[in-house]
Amino acid sequence: QSVLTQPPSASGTPGQRVTISCSGSSSSIGTNYVNWYQQLPGTAPKLLIYRNNQRPSGVPDRFSGSKSGTSAFLAISGLRSEDEADYYCAAWDDSLSGPVFGGGTNLTVL
Amino acid sequence: EVQLLESGGGLVQPGGSLRLSCAASGFTFSNFAMSWVRQAPGKGLEWVSVISLSGGSIYYADSVKGRFSISRDNSKNTLHLQMNSLRAEDTAVYYCAKDRFGVAAAEVDSWGQGTLVTVSS
Repeated sequence: QSVLTQPPSASGTPGQRVTISCSGSSSSIGTNYVNWYQQLPGTAPKLLIYRNNQRPSGVPDRFSGSKSGTSAFLAISGLRSEDEADYYCAAWDDSLSGPVFGGGTNLTVL
Repeated sequence: EVQLLESGGGLVQPGGSLRLSCAASGFTFSNFAMSWVRQAPGKGLEWVSVISLSGGSIYYADSVKGRFSISRDNSKNTLHLQMNSLRAEDTAVYYCAKDRFGVAAAEVDSWGQGTLVTVSS
């Protein structure tokens, strides 16, 4: 069982907006930054969002992140077929003194 | 361009040992924390270990504590993971990853291609 909780799956149609949640605790998301990773099939993960809502260069502005209390959210607007991937949230956990991932959300574009 | 090249994976029997290495290039290795992250077949990501830029701060996941040891050689731009007392549940692709900063922060911005470790008799 992961320290950070994500829904195992999500789906949407092309052009739609989809939101993926990540629930943690006061020792993880409540006090630390949240980062999001995208893993396309058969490839290594890629940093998608860092420090709650910052995009690395090259990441389209269709991807956005937010945080509220002990939960974080990844929103993908203008959904495209190439967005089909697994998405993971991650954060430092003060009680573990280490980084943790969510269980991952598999996004399907219908 | 950041490049991280893992090596050392393979098939090992339960109870055996392996040493993974990660050769880094394209950035000043000694300025950044480094991590090992693994992914069991069909499963999610698990942070295995993190080491700060100087090696003075190290984290291990509970699942590997006491069996795995992370180290770095800043003079050779190389990261290592010594894995002892291997178990079937350690079977996974092991990724070497570079943090955005010198201290570990769950904020990895570059990944290697991964090396497969299979623990089986």
